[in-house]
Order: sequence, then C-alpha cells, then structure tokens
Amino acid sequence: EAGVAQSPRYKIIEKRQSVAFWCNPISGHATLYWYQQILGQGPKLLIQFQNNGVVDDSQLPKDRFSAERLKGVDSTLKIQPAKLEDSAVYLCASSLKTPREAFFGQGTRLTVV
Amino acid sequence: TQLLEQSPQFLSIQEGENLTVYCNSSSVFSSLQWYRQEPGEGPVLLVTVVTGGEVKKLKRLTFQFGDARKDSSLHITAAQPGDTGLYLCAGGLWSNYQLIWGAGTKLIIKP
Repeated sequence: EAGVAQSPRYKIIEKRQSVAFWCNPISGHATLYWYQQILGQGPKLLIQFQNNGVVDDSQLPKDRFSAERLKGVDSTLKIQPAKLEDSAVYLCASSLKTPREAFFGQGTRLTVV
Repeated sequence: TQLLEQSPQFLSIQEGENLTVYCNSSSVFSSLQWYRQEPGEGPVLLVTVVTGGEVKKLKRLTFQFGDARKDSSLHITAAQPGDTGLYLCAGGLWSNYQLIWGAGTKLIIKP
C-alpha cells in the first residue's frame, strides 16, 4: 500500500514570496490533515478535511494560508506572502473516517529567508 | 480546550536503562496513539489503544491506556540507541474526528 506522498521535500524562499505544497493521501482515507511542526515540537494542526469539506481550520492563519482538497483526494496548502516565522516542516497526514491512526508523509521543510 | 501534556519533555539516558514517559489530559479520548519521529521524517505510528486499562506490548515497549481513558504511558525496557527519537502521543475524539497532540518527549539513548 502506497503511503502519503508529499512534494516538494525541501523549499527555500524569500519572505513575501508565495509557496505551495502538495499532498496525495493514502487511497480511501477520507480525513486529511495539514500540520506545521516547528523543530523539537509536536505537530500543530493547520487544517483538517473530511472528504473535501473543512472540519477544522481554527488555527490556520487565513490572511496568508489557504488550503483546498478538490474531489476529496489530493490537497494543496499555499502560503502567500511568506514570513520568516513560517519556517517549519509542513506535514500532511491521512486517516480513515474515524479519529484513529494518522499516517504521515515525510513532510516539506520550508525555509524562509 | 483539550490538551495533552507529555512528560518529561526531554530525557537522556544510558543504553540498557529503563524509562517511562507519560501523556496526561483532563479529557476523555476515544483512542490514543503513540508515534515516534526521527529527524527529517514524519511521525510513524507505534500503537493505538482504545479500551480503558488496555496494555499493549511491542517488543521492549509497553503501552498502557488509563482506566478513565484520560492518560497513557510508554515504558521502554533496556533502552537501545535505536530508540532515540521524538515520542508523540495523540488522542482521538469521536465528536469531530480530531486528533489532539502532545508536544512530545525527546528521548536520547547514549551508547
């Protein structure tokens, strides 16, 4: 079974530029999560989708972050414009409908300079 | 607001020692998972517990879910350098399919 795929693995951009991350979840997983993880800390939920609907985006900085999950499968997370404090690893995870195990991709390490 | 508190935040011990890390909350969870994360990788699921009082063993790792389903512990026997990593717990809520995450315990096992 293929795992969660994310791209790119690494990205370096200047502040005020825009960036987009892509995630392809495990086939059949209805729930998709985007997390931000600062070095040494636990993941912070940015947005959670159930199929193509948003369940929770309360911690998403909506003035600069946006995310979509078209057709309830792939998802993209965008940052525009980026700030220095957005430097982090962005993790995508998916799970079956129930809040059980989450399977993670390798993440995208974003550096904003 | 549901919170999961993990302790200790950081632990460095010698190979062969035993250790326990904790995950505590005032909330009741439908399930609780433990993950291990290595540098540069996403968290990898170790175990899921769903029943109050449940104990699961994974080789030298023993996981326990509290009777009230509010807390959990991870015990490692005879720790090895390969156990080094960030250990994360996450609680599942049936009401809205959310996972609540702890901040993690960074574990270093010295040879």
